[in-house]
Amino acid sequence: DIQMTQSPSSLSASVGDRVTITCRASQSISSYLNWYQQKPGKAPKLLIYAASSLQSGVPSRFSGSGSGTDFTLTISSLQPEDFAIYYCQQSYSPAFGQGTRLEIK
Amino acid sequence: QVQLQESGPGLVKPSETLSLTCSVSGASISSYYWSWSRQPPGKGLEWIGYFHNSGTNYNPSLKSRVTISVDTSKNQFSLKLSSVTAADTAVYFCARGSSHGYYYYYMDVWGKGTTVTVSS
Repeated sequence: DIQMTQSPSSLSASVGDRVTITCRASQSISSYLNWYQQKPGKAPKLLIYAASSLQSGVPSRFSGSGSGTDFTLTISSLQPEDFAIYYCQQSYSPAFGQGTRLEIK
Repeated sequence: QVQLQESGPGLVKPSETLSLTCSVSGASISSYYWSWSRQPPGKGLEWIGYFHNSGTNYNPSLKSRVTISVDTSKNQFSLKLSSVTAADTAVYFCARGSSHGYYYYYMDVWGKGTTVTVSS
């Protein structure tokens, strides 16, 4: 099985900050990597697919990069509505990372 | 606008089969990767599997107990999970999976989720 490890597991930041979340695969998964945002009591929302493609309707402050085993999700300037849990998901043999909780500092 | 809605019993007894249905509106059920994921209370997401007209794909840890199928006449797809235990208590989400190439699979439309508790 391919293991997905996200870091950090939690993060405190302020509105306006630039934030980066990392996802590492235990073996190469090319660019088969997606990112989701989940708010309490809600379904996940797709942000980024294929490592770097922005899903339609998602603000451009979200971006993804990486290939092989190391991937990042970057939020260029945090907005109040961005505080949530973020999950990576590899699609080679589908599985989610454990999540990163983004909290207000 | 594509919408998905889960339905099914909220309480299932241990050792029985959990059965959920996802009703799809605004999209044809004859294409896409119709998917299920779940989230135990206070924990992260777990992918369960999908049905595509090319075949099914299941999480290896659940494969022996899972069946996902599609009813094109009703524009619905379903999840069956057999021999449930308390560890299967979770919010269950259905989702539409899309792809633009082999292995490029992502879930772009989700249902709101339904809570299933396994208890006697």
